Amino acid sequence: DAGVTQSPTHLIKTRGQQVTLRCSPKSGHDTVSWYQQALGQGPQFIFQYYEEEERQRGNFPDRFSGHQFPNYSSELNVNALLLGDSALYLCASSTPRSSYGYTFGSGTRLTVV
Amino acid sequence: AQSVAQPEDQVNVAEGNPLTVKCTYSVSGNPYLFWYVQYPNRGLQFLLKYITGDNLVKGSYGFEAEFNKSQTSFHLKKPSALVSDSALYFCAVRDGAYNFNKFYFGSGTKLNVKP
Repeated sequence: DAGVTQSPTHLIKTRGQQVTLRCSPKSGHDTVSWYQQALGQGPQFIFQYYEEEERQRGNFPDRFSGHQFPNYSSELNVNALLLGDSALYLCASSTPRSSYGYTFGSGTRLTVV
Repeated sequence: AQSVAQPEDQVNVAEGNPLTVKCTYSVSGNPYLFWYVQYPNRGLQFLLKYITGDNLVKGSYGFEAEFNKSQTSFHLKKPSALVSDSALYFCAVRDGAYNFNKFYFGSGTKLNVKP
């Protein structure tokens, strides 16, 4: 049973460019949350998708956007990249009514130069 | 607002000794507390959670955590550390009972277990 799959694993982009990160949730999960983990810090909540809609959003600018597809997979898009966007981006899947925690993917390491 | 604090950036212990990784929390309402572990270049793995019930929670890999409401703490413990326990540990609080509620993570504590 595959867990959460993220692609790509590593990515290098130039300031001002746009990037798309992808996530396939664990089988049976229908909710996807995205987190940004800067070096030396804990993960910060970006947003959560359920039923193809953004349900909650953290304190991130509109340059960060997302999408969820009918098969529950999700994309995170970041426009006009800044050096400060360099981080590990983690996707986590779950079922919304579960009291258990998330299942996390291994993340996408984004470096902006 | 919900928040957690991990006061130690790093904890060093010798293999076979007990270990404690500290976490304090601040929540409005009931606390829903979690511990996750992160190995290099990997995502976070769930260790254990406190939702309600016994104050001593047992989790994966021999870890346990003690919920202390009066001290607003949720320290992670293990009676006998292994070198393979060396990793980054995150305490987290969720602002509600279910997964559609947001998680708030601490800054992490690096655990070093020496042979």
